[in-house]
Amino acid sequence: GAVVSQHPSWVICKSGTSVKIECRSLDFQATTMFWYRQFPKQSLMLMATSNEGSKATYEQGVEKDKFLINHASLTLSTLTVTSAHPEDSSFYICSARSRGTYEQYFGPGTRLTVT
Amino acid sequence: SQKIEQNSEALNIQEGKTATLTCNYTNYSPAYLQWYRQDPGRGPVFLLLIRENEKEKRKERLKVTFDTTLKQSLFHITASQPADSATYLCAQNSGNTPLVFGKGTRLSVIA
Repeated sequence: GAVVSQHPSWVICKSGTSVKIECRSLDFQATTMFWYRQFPKQSLMLMATSNEGSKATYEQGVEKDKFLINHASLTLSTLTVTSAHPEDSSFYICSARSRGTYEQYFGPGTRLTVT
Repeated sequence: SQKIEQNSEALNIQEGKTATLTCNYTNYSPAYLQWYRQDPGRGPVFLLLIRENEKEKRKERLKVTFDTTLKQSLFHITASQPADSATYLCAQNSGNTPLVFGKGTRLSVIA
């Protein structure tokens, strides 16, 4: 149980374009979803937290107009990187948690490369 | 600010030995400490969660301890195997807060 999927697993886009990443909880209701970013040989850095049906809460230094997060249902959250630049190239990982629990389950990640 | 530290960036051990990884926290008292395994190019996989009022938790060959006096959690893998080679991440949260991760320890089990 507790499976989280992400799509796509990797994407290459041109500078200035937008990219959408999907995160789905397959066998549980994710009342809270989290988006993390991980640079090579570094730990996961939290970007934002979203509760189903509410606006996302962004961490300090994360531009909410650049990283659009939507958590419209209990099984789906999306992250859209708008006007992507090469410095946005990273490994993006989503995580989900159901109500009343403290374990977070992670997706397999999405490798974004902006050329 | 809350800090969670995994002091060893890398650890090499011989197959069959017990691997012990350390996680320290400062400036706060987390309600939960969690341990994850991450393989290259993959998302973290949940292993164990231990609450602040628990001293020890076990799952098969894994054992986690939580010492609130030392502000430390130890993660043990007994009878280690080459397949255990991965990066192990310690993370903390309190209540509904999101997980904050340490930098991880890269474990290599040598046959």
